[in-house]
Amino acid sequence: GQNIDQPTEMTATEGAIVQINCTYQTSGFNGLFWYQQHAGEAPTFLSYNVLDGLEEKGRFSSFLSRSKGYSYLLLKELQMKDSASYLCAVRVAGNNRKLIWGLGTSLAVNP
Amino acid sequence: DAGVIQSPRHEVTEMGQEVTLRCKPISGHDYLFWYRQTMMRGLELLIYFNNNVPIDDSGMPEDRFSAKMPNASFSTLKIQPSEPRDSAVYFCASSLVGADYNEQFFGPGTRLTVL
Repeated sequence: GQNIDQPTEMTATEGAIVQINCTYQTSGFNGLFWYQQHAGEAPTFLSYNVLDGLEEKGRFSSFLSRSKGYSYLLLKELQMKDSASYLCAVRVAGNNRKLIWGLGTSLAVNP
Repeated sequence: DAGVIQSPRHEVTEMGQEVTLRCKPISGHDYLFWYRQTMMRGLELLIYFNNNVPIDDSGMPEDRFSAKMPNASFSTLKIQPSEPRDSAVYFCASSLVGADYNEQFFGPGTRLTVL
């Protein structure tokens, strides 16, 4: 079967760094996505990893280890507006656009 | 450029009624996805289309659900008859083959409440 695990909730302090983990067991792998979803809004794309290693985009970075079935999203210099749900999703096959989604990690950033 | 457009944004209906959700993908995108999101089950893919052709409908819950894409700029998701357990937020998303990441762009969603 297909399975993606993320912590349900996390809290952090404004200005700090937080790491959100994602582990996956899927029948195949052709890329991992991170999306951000604010309450009452649609998910928006944050990052994409298909090769092992770290991808950096401003305050956000995403890491992938395919051998371990593991990824994390790193958020630096946290701001209040980063309070949102963060969704991990795996594309299982290259010619299939279907994504398998985790349930999301709800991050609360406190002042 | 306009993003993915969905209508209505909110729908409240009574059990047994027919519900039709509408989606206009981003112009030029060749994939369209219908999702349902609930607290318990998260985001679930219902069906997706490539160039207006349904590719995978394995996520459609049952025969009460149907989806069509008559042209590249319009898709519908119909529920008939609706049931209270269909209450959820329904998202439409589109993507473009050949884009850097093939990421999906989501519409604002339709919040459906079935009483």
